[in-house]
Amino acid sequence: GAGVSQSPSNKVTEKGKDVELRCDPISGHTALYWYRQSLGQGLEFLIYFQGNSAPDKSGLPSDRFSAERTGGSVSTLTIQRTQQEDSAVYLCASSLESRETQYFGPGTRLLVL
Amino acid sequence: DAKTTQPNSMESNEEEPVHLPCNHSTISGTDYIHWYRQLPSQGPEYVIHGLTSNVNNRMASLAIAEDRKSSTLILHRATLRDAAVYYCILRGSSGSARQLTFGSGTQLTVLP
Repeated sequence: GAGVSQSPSNKVTEKGKDVELRCDPISGHTALYWYRQSLGQGLEFLIYFQGNSAPDKSGLPSDRFSAERTGGSVSTLTIQRTQQEDSAVYLCASSLESRETQYFGPGTRLLVL
Repeated sequence: DAKTTQPNSMESNEEEPVHLPCNHSTISGTDYIHWYRQLPSQGPEYVIHGLTSNVNNRMASLAIAEDRKSSTLILHRATLRDAAVYYCILRGSSGSARQLTFGSGTQLTVLP
């Protein structure tokens, strides 16, 4: 079946611009996660959604970062006023329930010039 | 989640078995041991997980020490496609954290 998909696969933007990254989780998965991976670094947790519960935003690095999940399915990660240090691969994962196996998408490679 | 320690890198020859170690001396009784791997330019993928008993699946085997303070991921016949960063992660069955906490992992190089 279809896995987790993310779009765009690559995004180049100028410093100060806003960007939106999209994640389509596996159908029926109630939990959705955003991570980011900077060049040569490990994966860093950003935010977690579970069903209709309030999201866990504890990993968001600043108030320029926000995310929403509409209808319990598609999620959008928004970065406002992008900075060069935001350049990274942004990965989305979903799982059937929380604490279940996470399935990752291919990521969006963001480059802020 | 408790911390894990893995070697930074390992090499293996193609078609030979690979044993990837992980130390987790502070593991709690309810922590599951998970392994994910990340192939170049891809997102991580689940490999295997276990609690106390050794586990086998189509991708690998997981050998868990009797005291659970260490575990070993076993690839029975390494292929070039197995070259990846392998992450050993502990996941509690309770508590507030739902996300995976990735360490630096082990970079596996498979030599032809």
